[in-house]
Amino acid sequence: GAVVSQHPSRVICKSGTSVKIECRSLDFQATTMFWYRQFPKQSLMLMATSNEGSKATYEQGVEKDKFLINHASLTLSTLTVTSAHPEDSSFYICSSRIRGYNEQFFGPGTRLTVL
Amino acid sequence: KQEVTQIPAALSVPEGENLVLNCSFTDSAIYNLQWFRQDPGKGLTSLLLIQSSQREQTSGRLNASLDKSSGRSTLYIAASQPGDSATYLCAVPFGNQGGKLIFGQGTELSVKP
Repeated sequence: GAVVSQHPSRVICKSGTSVKIECRSLDFQATTMFWYRQFPKQSLMLMATSNEGSKATYEQGVEKDKFLINHASLTLSTLTVTSAHPEDSSFYICSSRIRGYNEQFFGPGTRLTVL
Repeated sequence: KQEVTQIPAALSVPEGENLVLNCSFTDSAIYNLQWFRQDPGKGLTSLLLIQSSQREQTSGRLNASLDKSSGRSTLYIAASQPGDSATYLCAVPFGNQGGKLIFGQGTELSVKP
């Protein structure tokens, strides 16, 4: 199946710093990438949908100025958590979809801890 | 508004037992339904995807069924093994937005040796 990678896998930062998370589709071109957030013992909640070359579409309640998404190529999308605070600590997972196919392929996730 | 529910929230079984995980959704107009496995602290692994026109899909010891009219799907695991211990999530695409997934809360499965 298609492989999606995320980097870094784990990050610990101080409150107020910005953190960038990369999501790459390794062996296919992803026309759409999705960013999810998962709190402990909870399910995944979609944050935003990112289409290559266009602005991301954010879900209700997700601050676009805080969670900056860039989808500059068909294989790379980045999520930047700006001025991170402890409440942003979570597990962030990206997924990719190929145009015309319904199935999504998920990355291994990034554990963010803000002190 | 589409809502996805999974029961039970947690399940513990002895090794070798057959088991069924349940997933229900409120809007039957779905394009497909996908079952995932998530190990602690890890990402999601796709197990099975059932298209709306299909009734079931099988992969090894896993069998997923879909009944759109009743808004239900089941994941059957045969001859469970300790390595099957994980959280199982079902998800459906939201409306016609082509890919945005709505997830259930998951069932945490523990298979005891």
